[in-house]
Amino acid sequence: EPEVTQTPSHQVTQMGQEVILRCVPISNHLYFYWYRQILGQKVEFLVSFYNNEISEKSEIFDDQFSVERPDGSNFTLKIRSTKLEDSAMYFCASSGKGEQFFGPGTRLTVL
Amino acid sequence: GIQVEQSPPDLILQEGANSTLRCNFSDSVNNLQWFHQNPWGQLINLFYIPSGTKQNGRLSATTVATERYSLLYISSSQTTDSGVYFCAVAFDSWGKFQFGAGTQVVVTP
Repeated sequence: EPEVTQTPSHQVTQMGQEVILRCVPISNHLYFYWYRQILGQKVEFLVSFYNNEISEKSEIFDDQFSVERPDGSNFTLKIRSTKLEDSAMYFCASSGKGEQFFGPGTRLTVL
Repeated sequence: GIQVEQSPPDLILQEGANSTLRCNFSDSVNNLQWFHQNPWGQLINLFYIPSGTKQNGRLSATTVATERYSLLYISSSQTTDSGVYFCAVAFDSWGKFQFGAGTQVVVTP
């Protein structure tokens, strides 16, 4: 069964460093999403992406964040200068006909 | 945005018991999913159920879209059912999800 994959599973970085989180969505899906979950809290929407552009973003998704689909298979989330409060689990999701399929997540720890 | 409320916030069950989790939402939705977050933090998709009733083994779900709620039933609970259950809704089929705060379920042997 096709699934969404994410790498790395865990990333530790120093405050101020750039990180890139990678996702491989399900191959025939057209809609892509990033969500995050701070420890102990609910899952929050960051950004959605369709037809090679951002379709919607939340107030969390400020100028420090960017997304890209550099080729036909990868979907990336970049955080330019990480802050302590960026520590969270980041989930990628993709959708073809409405149902969203989530990846296993990347746990980002900013020290 | 859409408000999503889940109840109860916490649930302790003895193994073998049945339970019902509820998700209320404030507006019409075209997408609703139930997830189980396992101890490793992964979101396991249980049901895609914008309307109607579905069953998968000991789990079933019902969404009454016109009355803006969804129910998740767990029957004959097992210790592996422990974890947080999230309801997520979206206004349109491909739109962003708004997640509820979750129900923390603990099943004791």
